[in-house]
Amino acid sequence: ETGVTQTPRHLVMGMTNKKSLKCEQHLGHNAMYWYKQSAKKPLELMFVYSLEERVENNSVPSRFSPECPNSSHLFLHLHTLQPEDSALYLCASSQEFAGTGVSYNSPLHFGNGTRLTVT
Amino acid sequence: QKEVEQNSGPLSVPEGAIASLNCTYSDRVSQSFFWYRQYSGKSPELIMSIYSNGDKEDGRFTAQLNKASQYVSLLIRDSQPSDSATYLCAVIRANSGGSNYKLTFGKGTLLTVNP
Repeated sequence: ETGVTQTPRHLVMGMTNKKSLKCEQHLGHNAMYWYKQSAKKPLELMFVYSLEERVENNSVPSRFSPECPNSSHLFLHLHTLQPEDSALYLCASSQEFAGTGVSYNSPLHFGNGTRLTVT
Repeated sequence: QKEVEQNSGPLSVPEGAIASLNCTYSDRVSQSFFWYRQYSGKSPELIMSIYSNGDKEDGRFTAQLNKASQYVSLLIRDSQPSDSATYLCAVIRANSGGSNYKLTFGKGTLLTVNP
């Protein structure tokens, strides 16, 4: 496989469920990201990991818990979500990470996303 | 003022025409600019990057950057129905020390190319 792979593609969960989203990148990149994409809103950065260390948490509620066991894998653990958390969750990676964003010419490569519906 | 602004559209053009997508940004120290294409139900895909003033051409795509006016545009020549997608503008800016960077996306412009 190549690129950035996300599973599952679709997820429906109740507000009391616990689930996890998985992301794997096969590009040899050092930085991985979780983004949330809601209708009619810009992409919202949630978390950034660089070399397995969390370097940014954009005031995300604690019901979202990221985990990065190695530079190729990233998880997003979900617990007691709200209906307003329903969105497309995108994982991305980049070759390098600098500061609070991405390096000068190291664009993001996105996975296909997980369409999450909270009922 | 929003950091990165795009007309949400939809922008409709006939097949074969030139589609012009515009993006303005508020931070003068922005330095890297990207255009992503996102098909419905799919993830964003990088199609162009531009870092200096002027035009950059790649096949049917041309990115234009004007830092003085703080806008970046994407032209698609000979538009095809397969170009119908949402186009996201993304901007990187660095702080004054150049040690921290921030990537900000616009909301995207929906382009429809009619056969």
